[in-house]
Amino acid sequence: DSGVTQTPKHLITATGQRVTLRCSPRSGDLSVYWYQQSLDQGLQFLIQYYNGEERAKGNILERFSAQQFPDLHSELNLSSLELGDSALYFCASSVLSTGETQYFGPGTRLLVL
Amino acid sequence: AQSVSQHNHHVILSEAASLELGCNYSYGGTVNLFWYVQYPGQHLQLLLKYFSGDPLVKGIKGFEAEFIKSKFSFNLRKPSVQWSDTAEYFCAVNPFGSQGNLIFGKGTKLSVKP
Repeated sequence: DSGVTQTPKHLITATGQRVTLRCSPRSGDLSVYWYQQSLDQGLQFLIQYYNGEERAKGNILERFSAQQFPDLHSELNLSSLELGDSALYFCASSVLSTGETQYFGPGTRLLVL
Repeated sequence: AQSVSQHNHHVILSEAASLELGCNYSYGGTVNLFWYVQYPGQHLQLLLKYFSGDPLVKGIKGFEAEFIKSKFSFNLRKPSVQWSDTAEYFCAVNPFGSQGNLIFGKGTKLSVKP
């Protein structure tokens, strides 16, 4: 158990819908990262927040957005869902914002039908 | 663009065989390097990491990795694998001085036959 929690564990929804994935970092960690894992793309970095502020952006679609709240938990919002958005979404956390070990949560498996 | 290459997609070994998984990255500057493991149905766990110092790093469960700067490589090794090592292994790079996001390789699936 890494100390990073993610909910829900599984999510099944339809195309065009919107979902919210939630992540709570390890106690004391200020950075939260979101990654998408799919069979064709592998593990891709989406976005990073540090202490409430966006710090880095990767291959995140415009239909996706994220935020980090004052209690440091983070939410990833996925809207206008497409079949291709089906993937495993991981959250990771670290103490600072650069050059550190990231600890990963168990992931949310999203299936878009 | 920075990238990480893991040359072997799927490796099949018998128990007690030695393991070496290749990882090469494309970035000219200083990097932090990581190997993560993902057991079936589980999340990513850190095996080992290299930030600086001795280029031979030891991790958990008997794994080690060697950083060879001239070859831009960070290969993972284990002298004798066990059935419980069956998992997917990911090499990841974080360019020094950049934000903390990791660039992952595509992963190598290891199957160990009992």
